[in-house]
Amino acid sequence: SQTIHQWPATLVQPVGSPLSLECTVEGTSNPNLYWYRQAAGRGLQLLFYSVGIGQISSEVPQNLSASRPQDRQFILSSKKLLLSDSGFYLCAWGPLDRASTDTQYFGPGTRLTVL
Amino acid sequence: QKEVEQDPGPLSVPEGAIVSLNCTYSNSAFQYFMWYRQYSRKGPELLMYTYSSGNKEDGRFTAQVDKSSKYISLFIRDSQPSDSATYLCAMSGNNRLAFGKGNQVVVIP
Repeated sequence: SQTIHQWPATLVQPVGSPLSLECTVEGTSNPNLYWYRQAAGRGLQLLFYSVGIGQISSEVPQNLSASRPQDRQFILSSKKLLLSDSGFYLCAWGPLDRASTDTQYFGPGTRLTVL
Repeated sequence: QKEVEQDPGPLSVPEGAIVSLNCTYSNSAFQYFMWYRQYSRKGPELLMYTYSSGNKEDGRFTAQVDKSSKYISLFIRDSQPSDSATYLCAMSGNNRLAFGKGNQVVVIP
């Protein structure tokens, strides 16, 4: 069965500090991978998605970036965090044999607080 | 008009009641419809998935899709305190995937 991991689970960072969140998927090959941010009352905001190693599409221009160094690894980064980057960050995967926007399966999330 | 509309609630019901949740959408290209359940401070988990109009049952859960009205519903029978969570609708098609904002449900023992 497929499993998706995210770490850290919780993170408190000062404004201006760097960020690195990691997501890994087990039990599947060539998944589509996604980063979302979920803010209270605002629903899920798609940040990045990837259909393969080194292939990243950005949905929202901002001070965040994503990378996919390995097939089942997806990393969300920032060089300098802003207060507005606080939120609940979710990684998701979707099977390659379906449309890239079909069913997605979410990880446990990382709660980021920027102070 | 927003692509997906979902009343955020919260919705409080007594244990054993039927919970009724719904979403409306505007994009006719949506062909796949999903419901996710999200417990507090956890990631959403896929609860129901359907791609046709009509009803789909899974235990105490029933997903209903009416494509002509662009309206989907989730019913929870015999609700339990463990059903207290936020429920998000999602729909996809034509390279678009859109989520509702989520509806918080509280089942009171």
